[in-house]
Amino acid sequence: AQSVSQHNHHVILSEAASLELGCNYSYGGTVNLFWYVQYPGQHLQLLLKYFSGDPLVKGIKGFEAEFIKSKFSFNLRKPSVQWSDTAEYFCAVNLYSSASKIIFGSGTRLSIRP
Amino acid sequence: EAQVTQNPRYLITVTGKKLTVTCSQNMNHEYMSWYRQDPGLGLRQIYYSMNVEVTDKGDVPEGYKVSRKEKRNFPLILESPSPNQTSLYFCASAVVIGAGELFFGEGSRLTVL
Repeated sequence: AQSVSQHNHHVILSEAASLELGCNYSYGGTVNLFWYVQYPGQHLQLLLKYFSGDPLVKGIKGFEAEFIKSKFSFNLRKPSVQWSDTAEYFCAVNLYSSASKIIFGSGTRLSIRP
Repeated sequence: EAQVTQNPRYLITVTGKKLTVTCSQNMNHEYMSWYRQDPGLGLRQIYYSMNVEVTDKGDVPEGYKVSRKEKRNFPLILESPSPNQTSLYFCASAVVIGAGELFFGEGSRLTVL
């Protein structure tokens, strides 16, 4: 069965540290890839997405992600985190062959120490 | 303002008492879906709808029902709630799935005693 793995369940960083959150998926076909963010007490909102083209995509608030097809990965990065980045981050995959499904990872909670 | 609206936002109920969580979107989206969010499990899809009168099961449909009589509304029905349905529920919509982002509601926190 297709799945999305986020191996880091909770990451704690200090302000200005660099961030990389891992995301791997298990599916050999064409995929659309997403990162969503959920700030405390709020709903999920889109951070960035990849459909095709340049595998390095830039999103809002200085986030970027790189699609590495050979590794089935779509890791999220930010060079310098801020306290306001404290949130839960979800990787999600849409199987190009499926018009009905987006599969979410279990999420990574990011805590930033001021 | 484009939005997905869920009600109620918070609800405490007892086992067996039927309840409905409403979801409405004002973006004329074809696709709507319900998810439940549980610690360590991320978001799991309950039901989804590709269009009016077209609904299908997601990964965890047991104990839930849905209907899509109008494009904008997609209520989630718990006929006989049980404690294992205590969770945070999100409704989401999209123009078409995979072609763009999902727009999420604010969430409904349900506790079943």
